[in-house]
Amino acid sequence: KQEVTQIPAALSVPEGENLVLNCSFTDSAIYNLQWFRQDPGKGLTSLLLIQSSQREQTSGRLNASLDKSSGRSTLYIAASQPGDSATYLCAVRQPRGADGLTFGKGTHLIIQP
Amino acid sequence: DGGITQSPKYLFRKEGQNVTLSCEQNLNHDAMYWYRQDPGQGLRLIYYSQIVNDFQKGDIAEGYSVSREKKESFPLTVTSAQKNPTAFYLCASTPTSGGTYEQYFGPGTRLTVT
Repeated sequence: KQEVTQIPAALSVPEGENLVLNCSFTDSAIYNLQWFRQDPGKGLTSLLLIQSSQREQTSGRLNASLDKSSGRSTLYIAASQPGDSATYLCAVRQPRGADGLTFGKGTHLIIQP
Repeated sequence: DGGITQSPKYLFRKEGQNVTLSCEQNLNHDAMYWYRQDPGQGLRLIYYSQIVNDFQKGDIAEGYSVSREKKESFPLTVTSAQKNPTAFYLCASTPTSGGTYEQYFGPGTRLTVT
């Protein structure tokens, strides 16, 4: 059964720093991997989607990489801002496409002004 | 604006009562999902539906039921058989054409049962 782990569980850094969030998964046979952001009491906002054949995706200050063979993904946030404070969730989709996602427990990120 | 709506945002029920959570999408997505989120446990899949009139159990389906009579609607009923119903419930949808299978989420319903 697929398991997804996110490290660290919580992170607090000063504004302006670059940072890396880590995600690992036990079964490398995935269809894609998706990074989400969740603000307190809100739904999930999709940040980046990486298909199994891709190595990375970029959107603005965010860059996500995927190493499927080693079961790892990283989310890189450049020049962090207080507005980046949120919980970041990693999720993988198995090869059966429309089945549900398997989620990690998230990294709670605080950017200090 | 296209999106997923969930209502109500907050729901309070007495123990022993069934309650139905609404989820509607106007994204024309074929697949829809229900997840439950508890503090410290991440999201867990309850039920999902890939097409109208068909649905499958997820990892934690016991005590829940769903229907999919219309493409845009996927209501979730939390029955009295669900032992710990208090949680944050999230509905999601995914397009199955195009091959990306990106998942989109609604704003969630927080259910409190006392």
